[in-house]
Amino acid sequence: AAGVIQSPRHLIKEKRETATLKCYPIPRHDTVYWYQQGPGQDPQFLISFYEKMQSDKGSIPDRFSAQQFSDYHSELNMSSLELGDSALYFCASSPVGQMNTEAFFGQGTRLTVV
Amino acid sequence: RKEVEQDPGPFNVPEGATVAFNCTYSNSASQSFFWYRQDCRKEPKLLMSVYSSGNEDGRFTAQLNRASQYISLLIRDSKLSDSATYLCVVNRGDSGYALNFGKGTSLLVTP
Repeated sequence: AAGVIQSPRHLIKEKRETATLKCYPIPRHDTVYWYQQGPGQDPQFLISFYEKMQSDKGSIPDRFSAQQFSDYHSELNMSSLELGDSALYFCASSPVGQMNTEAFFGQGTRLTVV
Repeated sequence: RKEVEQDPGPFNVPEGATVAFNCTYSNSASQSFFWYRQDCRKEPKLLMSVYSSGNEDGRFTAQLNRASQYISLLIRDSKLSDSATYLCVVNRGDSGYALNFGKGTSLLVTP
């Protein structure tokens, strides 16, 4: 079965650079979430989209932005990268019209800022 | 204070042991509850949803107490392959769409 696809899997950037992470949800899933997981930490919710509109916002820095496109894929844009942004970034998706349902996670993008 | 609090780990148990994890959540509006499993450097994967009536899936039993805002996971007859971090996950309630994670409890099952 198709899963959530994230790209790239690994990314190395320098401080103050920008990065764009991409997420392709499971087909017919209309809700996408972004999470950040630092070393030894639990996943922290950043932002979510439902039907291409932002539906919820967590601890996303102002330097980050995200959107969901007409084909439901989502991109997380990160600017002025800092060393502390080094983390595993997960995208997850949920099925159509089902609030309060579990989320299915992609394999993540490992971002290293040097 | 985190919205989802879990037992501090790690839990080191021998094969065949029974182990229980506990979790409390602070948002009484939360309506969905899950246990996820995360292996080192991998994505979280759903282990099981948790229902008010309690539910069982093989060696795994989950319980929910809404009045106490408490969730538990019981693993019977532990296997080496059960070694992982177990994350208690609760939806955000008001918005409904996003999930809040506990810090996770690390389980190591030894031969």
